[in-house]
Amino acid sequence: GESVGLHLPTLSVQEGDNSIINCAYSNSASDYFIWYKQESGKGPQFIIDIRSNMDKRQGQRVTVLLNKTVKHLSLQIAATQPGDSAVYFCAERAYNQGGKLIFGQGTELSVKP
Amino acid sequence: DGGITQSPKYLFRKEGQNVTLSCEQNLNHDAMYWYRQDPGQGLRLIYYSQIVNDFQKGDIAEGYSVSREKKESFPLTVTSAQKNPTAFYLCASSTTGISGANVLTFGAGSRLTVL
Repeated sequence: GESVGLHLPTLSVQEGDNSIINCAYSNSASDYFIWYKQESGKGPQFIIDIRSNMDKRQGQRVTVLLNKTVKHLSLQIAATQPGDSAVYFCAERAYNQGGKLIFGQGTELSVKP
Repeated sequence: DGGITQSPKYLFRKEGQNVTLSCEQNLNHDAMYWYRQDPGQGLRLIYYSQIVNDFQKGDIAEGYSVSREKKESFPLTVTSAQKNPTAFYLCASSTTGISGANVLTFGAGSRLTVL
């Protein structure tokens, strides 16, 4: 999950297993959330987004869950593949902060063959 | 293919020198952004522009400058006043402004190292 500090949280999974990456957000005014994937030396790529009026949204092999009660967001990746190895960022948009996207620290996912 | 092009990919600078990072997009996006990424940290907003000839400071604008003379281009200058400029710089764009529900499209980044 997300945390403050210089060392990225890491998650190591076996190829073929499901991965769950967590993100805690602090602003109850956040109404829109995005997950990005960043491979080493590259820019972040959009994975999936969700608005605060939804609890769940599914994409291809990915699902985002939103729990507004505890301000928690998760990204589930089904049948994790070596190509999924990357740093995953969540971002939140809060109207009381000018509507800017605020990015979390990131979680590094490592897939073992 | 539509996208965002950042150049150079790698840049080395001596202390006291200004450097300019290029960002060009052909997505016809109105808004453009510059972020800084340091190891183990999230992206921090340096500057953003929602329209040509207009831009606003982000959270860490000190030591940086930008211009937006064309819709397609949003160059970032890292000045000698930036005390710790070594970082990975990411340019992004979006269809709507900063307060809209927008997905940012990112470039591949520019890695600046100060010697």
